[in-house]
Amino acid sequence: DARVTQTPRHKVTEMGQEVTMRCQPILGHNTVFWYRQTMMQGLELLAYFRNRAPLDDSGMPKDRFSAEMPDATLATLKIQPSEPRDSAVYFCASGLVLGTGRDEQFFGPGTRLTVL
Amino acid sequence: AQSVAQPEDQVNVAEGNPLTVKCTYSVSGNPYLFWYVQYPNRGLQFLLKYITGDNLVKGSYGFEAEFNKSQTSFHLKKPSALVSDSALYFCAVRETYGNNRLAFGKGNQVVVIP
Repeated sequence: DARVTQTPRHKVTEMGQEVTMRCQPILGHNTVFWYRQTMMQGLELLAYFRNRAPLDDSGMPKDRFSAEMPDATLATLKIQPSEPRDSAVYFCASGLVLGTGRDEQFFGPGTRLTVL
Repeated sequence: AQSVAQPEDQVNVAEGNPLTVKCTYSVSGNPYLFWYVQYPNRGLQFLLKYITGDNLVKGSYGFEAEFNKSQTSFHLKKPSALVSDSALYFCAVRETYGNNRLAFGKGNQVVVIP
């Protein structure tokens, strides 16, 4: 049963520390999305990759956040330095887009980040 | 830009009663519409989607949704709610020929009362 995996599942860190979250998309999928979920803002899109190339990261604070796909099996989201307001659940999702945009996204279980 | 509105924060329904979760959308072209469900401490799970064709779409766990183009709505329905349906439900829309981004609604908490 193919699924998106994310590590770590939980992370507690102190303000100013670097945080790296990892995602393994479903094998064969060509799109990866990073979302952030908070009670106040709901689900926000941070970044979107297609065939490992970043297509849209307009939702991401550029000064402290960065997203990469070193290879097709790994996507990373890094926060440096972290701040308490970054506390949220971060979801990775992957999908297979063949030009029609018909296919759904498959979500990972999320990384719950707490910045003290 | 595409957007979705889910007007109710919480939907309470008695077990066995029909369940409806409302969603209206806004896109510049033809929409692709999706419903996802999120159980506590879990990621979002795909329920169903409307691409084209029949306006009534059937999905997982007995859920269905009706696409209404004139009302720009895509309400999620289940004829008989279960306690296990208690979760957060998200509606999402994507433009047919736009980029592949999904615009999600804020989510509706569904509480099924035993």
